[in-house]
Amino acid sequence: ETGVTQTPRHLVMGMTNKKSLKCEQHLGHNAMYWYKQSAKKPLELMFVYSLEERVENNSVPSRFSPECPNSSHLFLHLHTLQPEDSALYLCASSQEPAIAANYGYTFGSGTRLTVV
Amino acid sequence: DQQVKQNSPSLSVQEGRISILNCDYTNSMFDYFLWYKKYPAEGPTFLISISSIKDKNEDGRFTVFLNKSAKHLSLHIVPSQPGDSAVYFCAASKGQNFVFGPGTRLSVLP
Repeated sequence: ETGVTQTPRHLVMGMTNKKSLKCEQHLGHNAMYWYKQSAKKPLELMFVYSLEERVENNSVPSRFSPECPNSSHLFLHLHTLQPEDSALYLCASSQEPAIAANYGYTFGSGTRLTVV
Repeated sequence: DQQVKQNSPSLSVQEGRISILNCDYTNSMFDYFLWYKKYPAEGPTFLISISSIKDKNEDGRFTVFLNKSAKHLSLHIVPSQPGDSAVYFCAASKGQNFVFGPGTRLSVLP
């Protein structure tokens, strides 16, 4: 148990479906992140939330919609995805983003998403 | 255009010997560098970091070396153990912007 819990672990969805990924942390961290890992590609930062406010969005398509209702929970709402969106989606948390470099992130185990 | 590169997709080392994982970066503005380890079906785990003002940081069996002039860092694991078998990611940051390398799969053979 890493302290960051992601559900579901696996998800198969059709291109017309709407689904949500959930992330929860009880580490007292102030920042939460969504990362995408596609096969044979580096981890890609999607969204950064600090103190429940979005501070960075790396030009992610609007079919991905994040939500951070409080500092312990982060969601990624998915709709009308494409097969190329199939990937491992990792949630992470840290202390303030400015000091994350010193102490690193704590990652969840990820959600393996397959879009059919 | 990859800003952080790990040119060896895989590495095999005998148990007890030294493992050396390499990472190169292109952006001289990066000021922190981190290494993560990832087991299958788990998220990456933070291992060790180094500030750009240092050239070495050591934590137990893990040592990270930074050569700023060459824009190169390396992770040394000694002695290597079978439990070290995992994918190792190098990451570089400037402020809130983290960039990860593609990872190197380390296999430590008993």
